[in-house]
Amino acid sequence: EAQVTQNPRYLITVTGKKLTVTCSQNMNHEYMSWYRQDPGLGLRQIYYSMNVEVTDKGDVPEGYKVSRKEKRNFPLILESPSPNQTSLYFCASSLSGYGVTDTQYFGPGTRLTVL
Amino acid sequence: GENVEQHPSTLSVQEGDSAVIKCTYSDSASNYFPWYKQELGKGPQLIIDIRSNVGEKKDQRIAVTLNKTAKHFSLHITETQPEDSAVYFCAGSLGGRDDKIIFGKGTRLHILP
Repeated sequence: EAQVTQNPRYLITVTGKKLTVTCSQNMNHEYMSWYRQDPGLGLRQIYYSMNVEVTDKGDVPEGYKVSRKEKRNFPLILESPSPNQTSLYFCASSLSGYGVTDTQYFGPGTRLTVL
Repeated sequence: GENVEQHPSTLSVQEGDSAVIKCTYSDSASNYFPWYKQELGKGPQLIIDIRSNVGEKKDQRIAVTLNKTAKHFSLHITETQPEDSAVYFCAGSLGGRDDKIIFGKGTRLHILP
């Protein structure tokens, strides 16, 4: 089944403890992206990647890192999480590798709480 | 950079009536405008999109219109059904010139029985 998977789905952690949220897609998509969703703020793009080894900042990249060593995986890293990073995170992928002009397929979301 | 504003934030319509959600964008170079539907506990899912060389697009009960001069686009849902209840997001992208995509803040649509 074509899908985007994220792990973990739920995570409670403490301030300053490094964590990684994994994202994987099995559709051979070029473009992958991370978003955070907060009440009243909608979806905001954190980082995106057009292809392997190519990443770029979205609108709210502060406090996050990403890497794209393989086409299918796009992990989100929080080196030193803070309470303002408590949010619902979505990974997405789309076929095109040049510009966001294709359907994005979203993962099921990861709910992160930072105490 | 691009800014996308979406209205209303909440919309309640009687089952069978039509619903309209409106978005405006700031960058006249934006050329791709998707609409996503998010059901409770799930990730957003694309329902329709439109590109800047088209003024209107329909898919069964759903239609999107684009006015490039006024820089606004709208989602129209006709003959609404209970399963249309969800949060809807519009978005804008510069496409090949920029790989960012900017989403509106969302509209929570309630279909009343």
